[in-house]
Amino acid sequence: EPEVTQTPSHQVTQMGQEVILRCVPISNHLYFYWYRQILGQKVEFLVSFYNNEISEKSEIFDDQFSVERPDGSNFTLKIRSTKLEDSAMYFCASSERGARNNEQFFGPGTRLTVL
Amino acid sequence: DAKTTQPNSMESNEEEPVHLPCNHSTISGTDYIHWYRQLPSQGPEYVIHGLTSNVNNRMASLAIAEDRKSSTLILHRATLRDAAVYYCILIERGYGGSQGNLIFGKGTKLSVKP
Repeated sequence: EPEVTQTPSHQVTQMGQEVILRCVPISNHLYFYWYRQILGQKVEFLVSFYNNEISEKSEIFDDQFSVERPDGSNFTLKIRSTKLEDSAMYFCASSERGARNNEQFFGPGTRLTVL
Repeated sequence: DAKTTQPNSMESNEEEPVHLPCNHSTISGTDYIHWYRQLPSQGPEYVIHGLTSNVNNRMASLAIAEDRKSSTLILHRATLRDAAVYYCILIERGYGGSQGNLIFGKGTKLSVKP
């Protein structure tokens, strides 16, 4: 069964450093998403991406964040200068069509720890 | 954005049916009702979704009230593996357009006793 994969599973970084979280969505999917979950809190939407551009972003997704689909398979989330409060699980998701009437498939997540 | 209300937690016995309720009194006519769950230390997982009619799939059934102001996720025979947080989410036409960005609440934490 096809699945969304994410690397690395765990990333430790120093405050102020840049990190890139990587995702490989399911191959025939066209819509991509990033969510995050701070430990013990609810899952929060960050950004959606379609047709090589951001479709929608939340208030969390400020200028420190960017997303890219550098090739036909990867979808990345970059945090330019990490802060302590960026420590969280980051989940990538994809869907074949817009997920209003379609399911999103989530990856296993990347745990980001900012020291 | 439209909101949902779910109980914080529920308990079930293994191999018994579980009915997880969700209230969404401000739902609009074009909002889809989605259910996702999150097992411990895992990413969210799609369960089921519907618009007006009841829906069945291999994981669960979704019963939608006639006025669409509430819905119930039914797990026909709970297993230990079904212990998770279950999220009822409305996807609105106006918010997120066709993207269907998921706005998670706190969900219902389901415990399953052997």
